[in-house]
Amino acid sequence: RKEVEQDPGPFNVPEGATVAFNCTYSNSASQSFFWYRQDCRKEPKLLMSVYSSGNEDGRFTAQLNRASQYISLLIRDSKLSDSATYLCVVNKNTGFQKLVFGTGTRLLVSP
Amino acid sequence: EAQVTQNPRYLITVTGKKLTVTCSQNMNHEYMSWYRQDPGLGLRQIYYSMNVEVTDKGDVPEGYKVSRKEKRNFPLILESPSPNQTSLYFCASNSGQGSSTDTQYFGPGTRLTVL
Repeated sequence: RKEVEQDPGPFNVPEGATVAFNCTYSNSASQSFFWYRQDCRKEPKLLMSVYSSGNEDGRFTAQLNRASQYISLLIRDSKLSDSATYLCVVNKNTGFQKLVFGTGTRLLVSP
Repeated sequence: EAQVTQNPRYLITVTGKKLTVTCSQNMNHEYMSWYRQDPGLGLRQIYYSMNVEVTDKGDVPEGYKVSRKEKRNFPLILESPSPNQTSLYFCASNSGQGSSTDTQYFGPGTRLTVL
């Protein structure tokens, strides 16, 4: 079983739609959680950290459920520019970052 | 501008010909890593360094070497490249504090093809 699992997609949605991505992780001792965005053939960039209480950044909402070892990302009012691959990332270490990356979920937003 | 740079960005080489991919960051970060990204496998850590002269193996270190003689530089060395090392490579750095707000900054990537 992979340490971090995501549905690879692609998710094809029209502009304005709401879309949700899910991710599960296997190591219950994981310390912190992130969503990164990766455009085609480019480097990953941090989209947002995920906090236990859930957090929101504009149209993006991230949720963490430690009991179920489950992370989610909700994108509201999708834009064409949201088309990218979204990587679920888990830090399984304390003291310094030991990041484990999911394989990513691809999102395609169409006009 | 805070950034991580890698060179070269693209490289086609032949089996067995030693090569080095350079990585440099200007953020005074202690922690640097190398990853490779392959379809269906995601990013996997090759090596990491917690500070100058401190390096350790990641998840897929076989066939690679690194060095950290200066804080800003973290070159990746392939002594004898093989076709299974054809991949997209990313260098990354972060302050190393490991907090939930700590951001890992990635270089632009090096696409390596080994024939």
